[in-house]
Amino acid sequence: QSALTQPRSVSGSPGQSVTISCTGTSSDVGGYDYVSWYQHHPGKAPKLMIYDVNKRPSGVPDRFSGSKSGNTASLTISGLQADDEADYYCCSHAGSYNYVIFGGGTKLTVL
Amino acid sequence: EVQLLESGGGLVQPGESLRLSCVGSGFTFSSYAMNWVRQAPGKGLEWVSVISSTGGSTYYADSVKGRFTISRDNSKNTLYLQMNSLRAEDTALYYCAKDLGVPSRRAFDVWGRGTMVTVSS
Repeated sequence: QSALTQPRSVSGSPGQSVTISCTGTSSDVGGYDYVSWYQHHPGKAPKLMIYDVNKRPSGVPDRFSGSKSGNTASLTISGLQADDEADYYCCSHAGSYNYVIFGGGTKLTVL
Repeated sequence: EVQLLESGGGLVQPGESLRLSCVGSGFTFSSYAMNWVRQAPGKGLEWVSVISSTGGSTYYADSVKGRFTISRDNSKNTLYLQMNSLRAEDTALYYCAKDLGVPSRRAFDVWGRGTMVTVSS
């Protein structure tokens, strides 16, 4: 099972919005509403930002939103802040025997 | 406070074995599926294995199938990963991660800080 496809990097200025895409297939992203997104600052534990495509865990700001269309999921971060600079990973259920697969990761730079 | 604490990493030679442990606290450990996720140096996250809340079901990534075994002891709130026939490509930071919900949402809401495994001669 290949990793989901994410852009290697995206960037934006403080206050702007950015969108990170995550492309899979009908066997993973397109087939299930089990898409999640993680924020990973180097040296720290990954943090769950979005689950079930568009739900936010308690404590995650509503500046973070998720969506899905066909085989592509997206994470949108609005009102960019310096602390948003991190690596972001998408993750999708991929069937009974492939539980979940991650995307390759996207480095977000806040200019 | 909900917490996961991994241990057991280290430097081993190719072909050797290692057992990782992860102790959970601050939540009902026996209610949730638990996972191992790894990150090789300079690479992205890779899901490794999951075990159901009772331990009755386990799944593995193709890259570790037949070599790694996940298990748990709910009386000790502890998750394990027995790693045999280790290869250089298994070198990574290994995270323990808790499933978000019951039933599983295929998402991980609590992560440990990780334990480093280095396979090198």
